[in-house]
Order: sequence, then C-alpha cells, then structure tokens
Amino acid sequence: DAGITQSPRHKVTETGTPVTLRCHQTENHRYMYWYRQDPGHGLRLIHYSYGVKDTDKGEVSDGYSVSRSKTEDFLLTLESATSSQTSVYFCAISTTGGGNTEAFFGQGTRLTVV
Amino acid sequence: AQKITQTQPGMFVQEKEAVTLDCTYDTSDPSYGLFWYKQPSSGEMIFLIYQGSYDQQNATEGRYSLNFQKARKSANLVISASQLGDSAMYFCAMREGSQGGATNKLIFGTGTLLAVQP
Repeated sequence: DAGITQSPRHKVTETGTPVTLRCHQTENHRYMYWYRQDPGHGLRLIHYSYGVKDTDKGEVSDGYSVSRSKTEDFLLTLESATSSQTSVYFCAISTTGGGNTEAFFGQGTRLTVV
Repeated sequence: AQKITQTQPGMFVQEKEAVTLDCTYDTSDPSYGLFWYKQPSSGEMIFLIYQGSYDQQNATEGRYSLNFQKARKSANLVISASQLGDSAMYFCAMREGSQGGATNKLIFGTGTLLAVQP
C-alpha cells in the first residue's frame, strides 16, 4: 500500500475557526491532491500540487488554501470553517500528472463543522 | 473542459451474475487516461483498472474489465461473476495527458452504489 497518512482522521470544529488537515506521504511522489466527498457529488477536487511550492486550484477551491513546503507534506487549510465544509476529505498522490498514472488515496478525514 | 458522468446512482445484481456500470466522459485532449475506483463501506479508495486513450484493447484485471468505446466516449466497468464483497460505491475518473503533467487534474464522477444480492 502507498504510504499516505492523513491527520487527523476525525475532527469536530466550530464555525469560524481555522482548521488545517495534513497529508503526509513516504513515496516521494510529485503530485498530491485534496478532494472532498459529499453524497451525490462524488469526489470533487479542491486543490492540487505538482511540486514543492507549486499548487493550483481545483473545482471547489473557495474557502480553502493549501501549502506544500516539503515533498512529503501537503496541508489543506480552511481559513474560517463553515457548515458547508462539513465533509470527508481525501488526499491522493501520484508519481506523475500524466494520463496513465493512477492515484493512491489516504484513509480520509471526516470533518464536522458545528 | 473535462467531465465525467455516471448516470446510475444505484444498481442491484444477483451474486454470480455480471454487471455493467456506466461511465461517459468528455474531453478535447486526444491523450487521456480513464480509471475506476472502488469504495467499500469502510471508506478507503481502491484502484481497480486503467484504460489509456491510445490502448487498442480493452483493459482487464481479473474479474474487472473496461468496455472502452472511444467514439462514444464511454468507459463502462464490467464486473463478472459478482460476489457479495463487490458491494460498494464505484467511481469513474479521468485525467487528461497531453500537457506534460502540471495542469493535469484527476476528476471523478458522482459514483454508482452497487449492491450484490445473495
């Protein structure tokens, strides 16, 4: 199994507070992704990274920021959490961004904003 | 813009029978990859099978095969001899491949929930 660890695995936070989710990999993969999973929407891309300090927005990036200062860590920050950000968040990694490279996923983080 | 569509929110199949899960896609990039993932009730995402846009033959991995019809832009997953353990959510995904990597997003469909009945 690909070495991907998400932390925390579960979190409950209050509206308006900042929250940071961490994705750590031991595979030295260049590409890292953050998705959110909601019923009826599948997995939607929030942000992704194609190298240290190189990031780009996905389809649902509003209210989220990311940072990647090291190859192994990709942080997702909710600057001021809202109830609409209650979701399951998945991190994924891949060796390249090419069409033929599958992504490997972390175990997910269940975030509840109350 | 790239897009993935899964039109079956839920499917039932009898144990030992075959089932087809539909996936259509849209892209203007001639080079792309199509993927299927399985998500059991425990929540992890499991990679099942991959099909490249230039592959001449349909991909197969054990009981999984991908019915790739390029002209129709469809990439249906076929599961043969269904087992109770196949009950899960299944996601189709796509990544375009021509731009060298930096802007190649991996996008997913909304998923199909498969229930295998004994």
